[in-house]
Amino acid sequence: AQKVTQAQTEISVVEKEDVTLDCVYETRDTTYYLFWYKQPPSGELVFLIRRNSFDEQNEISGRYSWNFQKSTSSFNFTITASQVVDSAVYFCALSEAFRDMRFGAGTRLTVKP
Amino acid sequence: DSGVTQTPKHLITATGQRVTLRCSPRSGDLSVYWYQQSLDQGLQFLIQYYNGEERAKGNILERFSAQQFPDLHSELNLSSLELGDSALYFCASSLRVQETQYFGPGTRLLVL
Repeated sequence: AQKVTQAQTEISVVEKEDVTLDCVYETRDTTYYLFWYKQPPSGELVFLIRRNSFDEQNEISGRYSWNFQKSTSSFNFTITASQVVDSAVYFCALSEAFRDMRFGAGTRLTVKP
Repeated sequence: DSGVTQTPKHLITATGQRVTLRCSPRSGDLSVYWYQQSLDQGLQFLIQYYNGEERAKGNILERFSAQQFPDLHSELNLSSLELGDSALYFCASSLRVQETQYFGPGTRLLVL
């Protein structure tokens, strides 16, 4: 069965600090997809990234970067030089067959000015 | 803006009632998904449709049903509503089954 664990329930940082959100997953499949979504206070879910199980290359997009390590079943998300607008709940998700996406409990990030 | 639209944005109703939530997928997307987000259960997958046919079922109650119409919009019907059904209901769509899901703004349901 697939499972996603986001152990950090809440994180609070001061603006310009770097912050890493942890995501650990469990799956028996060799083919799977990992996602990060952002849910700002307005409530919508915004897609950030998708990574398939065969691509362990880390990715950087502006201030965002993702570290995928199959050896530790982790897909961590780092925000560099955080800003107040980064305040949101961030969800990590796993899909084994793109039919039933399983979300983690989410990490609430608060960035203080 | 993801391109997925959901109506209504807010819904307040009473226990025992029935409501219908509507979703229009992004232009060209064939697959529609429904999720429920509540404080105690988190984000839960309910059901998926692809080109009008049901493809997968998650934790969807028997009181809930859904369908996808020929124009690809989808409706989620919730009946015999209980207080515990109060939640944010999201619709998502993707081009095909194995593609990234893009979420609508959600419908916030409050059952009193």
